Amino acid sequence: EAGVAQSPRYKIIEKRQSVAFWCNPISGHATLYWYQQILGQGPKLLIQFQNNGVVDDSQLPKDRFSAERLKGVDSTLKIQPAKLEDSAVYLCASSLGTGSSYEQYFGPGTRLTVT
Amino acid sequence: SQKIEQNSEALNIQEGKTATLTCNYTNYSPAYLQWYRQDPGRGPVFLLLIRENEKEKRKERLKVTFDTTLKQSLFHITASQPADSATYLCALDLTGANNLFFGTGTRLTVIP
Repeated sequence: EAGVAQSPRYKIIEKRQSVAFWCNPISGHATLYWYQQILGQGPKLLIQFQNNGVVDDSQLPKDRFSAERLKGVDSTLKIQPAKLEDSAVYLCASSLGTGSSYEQYFGPGTRLTVT
Repeated sequence: SQKIEQNSEALNIQEGKTATLTCNYTNYSPAYLQWYRQDPGRGPVFLLLIRENEKEKRKERLKVTFDTTLKQSLFHITASQPADSATYLCALDLTGANNLFFGTGTRLTVIP
């Protein structure tokens, strides 16, 4: 079974530029998550989708971050404009459903550096 | 304010010993608690889940306890091996909807 795919793996941009990350979850997984992991910290949930609907986006900085999952499969996370403090690893995860008995599978992440 | 603390940033133990990692939380009443392993440059990998009405859960050399009175979970690795060296993260699910709040992690090093 293929795992969660993310691209790109690394991205370097200047502040005020825009960037987009792509995630392809495990086939058949209805729930998709985006996390931000700053160096030395645990992952922080940004947004959770169930199919193509948003379950929780309470920690997403909506003035600059946006995410979509139009067909209930792939997802993109965008930052516009980027700030220095957005430097982090952006992790995508997926699970069969939203209940806690469903284990989350994480992708390798995209390491973003904002200069 | 809400807080999840893992006992220390780093823990070094000798191969063959039992590693014990601590996860303490305040101002939460989690329905579930999960433990993940994260290797450098990779995403976290799920290890174990324990529910609020469970005291203990085991999986091979791993054991998790959950004390909702103390607001603490302990994660044990018995007969530790150098391959167990990694960062271990605890995560709370407050609602049962699988939106997780992670601790900062403990970096475990098992010395041969």
